[in-house]
Amino acid sequence: DGGITQSPKYLFRKEGQNVTLSCEQNLNHDAMYWYRQDPGQGLRLIYYSQIVNDFQKGDIAEGYSVSREKKESFPLTVTSAQKNPTAFYLCASTAWRPGQNTEAFFGQGTRLTVV
Amino acid sequence: SQQGEEDPQALSIQEGENATMNCSYKTSINNLQWYRQNSGRGLVHLILIRSNEREKHSGRLRVTLDTSKKSSSLLITASRAADTASYFCAPWGDSGAGSYQLTFGKGTKLSVIP
Repeated sequence: DGGITQSPKYLFRKEGQNVTLSCEQNLNHDAMYWYRQDPGQGLRLIYYSQIVNDFQKGDIAEGYSVSREKKESFPLTVTSAQKNPTAFYLCASTAWRPGQNTEAFFGQGTRLTVV
Repeated sequence: SQQGEEDPQALSIQEGENATMNCSYKTSINNLQWYRQNSGRGLVHLILIRSNEREKHSGRLRVTLDTSKKSSSLLITASRAADTASYFCAPWGDSGAGSYQLTFGKGTKLSVIP
């Protein structure tokens, strides 16, 4: 089955630690996205990538880093510089070229808690 | 960015009634998409309407698009308790220099009371 998988589902981080959230897709999508969602709020874009080895900052990139070494994978690292990392993190993928179906597929999310 | 803004922020209706949610955006688009999110889950794509379309139907969903007003609406007919969720719109287009961001607003939280 084609889809997008995030892991882990729950993650606990001690203050000062870096943690990496995994996102993998087998949909052959060029574009991948990371979002942060706080309780009762919408989705805020952290980083996105339209092609392998290239990515752009979204609206709230500070304290986060990403890599896109493979088309299928777009891991997100929450660094110690992110002062308030407790949130629900969602990954998504789409085709993005004009004329293509740009329906986005989402993972089930990772809930990160700082302890 | 292409972020859409949904209105109202919250909507509470009785089962069987229709629910209408609106979306406004600021720049030109290729298409506009609507998504649904159940609590604590990822978003699920509902429907996509292209910029040259004015209305689209899918089951109990009806979407309209007015590019002159930069607005869209999502109508859910004969609502059910299972429709309780948050709904988001996502305008899609070139946000500059060939960059296609997928951005969302705060959504409309729909509660359908049995």
